[in-house]
Amino acid sequence: AQSVAQPEDQVNVAEGNPLTVKCTYSVSGNPYLFWYVQYPNRGLQFLLKYITGDNLVKGSYGFEAEFNKSQTSFHLKKPSALVSDSALYFCAVRDEEYSSASKIIFGSGTRLSIRP
Amino acid sequence: EAGVAQSPRYKIIEKRQSVAFWCNPISGHATLYWYQQILGQGPKLLIQFQNNGVVDDSQLPKDRFSAERLKGVDSTLKIQPAKLEDSAVYLCASSLRNPSRGDEQYFGPGTRLTVT
Repeated sequence: AQSVAQPEDQVNVAEGNPLTVKCTYSVSGNPYLFWYVQYPNRGLQFLLKYITGDNLVKGSYGFEAEFNKSQTSFHLKKPSALVSDSALYFCAVRDEEYSSASKIIFGSGTRLSIRP
Repeated sequence: EAGVAQSPRYKIIEKRQSVAFWCNPISGHATLYWYQQILGQGPKLLIQFQNNGVVDDSQLPKDRFSAERLKGVDSTLKIQPAKLEDSAVYLCASSLRNPSRGDEQYFGPGTRLTVT
């Protein structure tokens, strides 16, 4: 069975400071990992993904994420936060071994709030 | 390119009534997904189509929910009869190819359903 956890419901950061949004996962095979962002009254927008290769993945809007296999984590990071980054962020995981049970699973979301 | 289109954006119905949602995926995307997102939670997959065939409907409450994608392009999701707990945002997403390749999903704006 696969699962994903976002341990923080909310993260508060001052503008200009670095930010981290945490995500841990559990899969039986190799993971496909994703980050999506959701703005109010909008659908989810893809930010970045890890499939294979370099553990540091760069995505949209200056975000990046680091895949850590030993810690089963895929934390989202940005060196300098903007007020416009305030939104709801979802981590998602899919087991590489595609089967009828291998659907993409979304975390419960982390609300990121950037104060000016 | 045009994004995933959904309609209506908002719907209010009374319990025991029926409702239908429509989705038009990005042109050329073979895979289509319907998700239910309850307030404060991550999206939960209801059904996944590959072209016009159902790949996964294990979390679809089949006694009241149905979905179809007859020509492998647009799709409809129906609820009949609706219950209070069906109040949620229904998101449609599409991806280019087989999900086992790790393709990211593109989401529509969603339909916010309120059942009174």
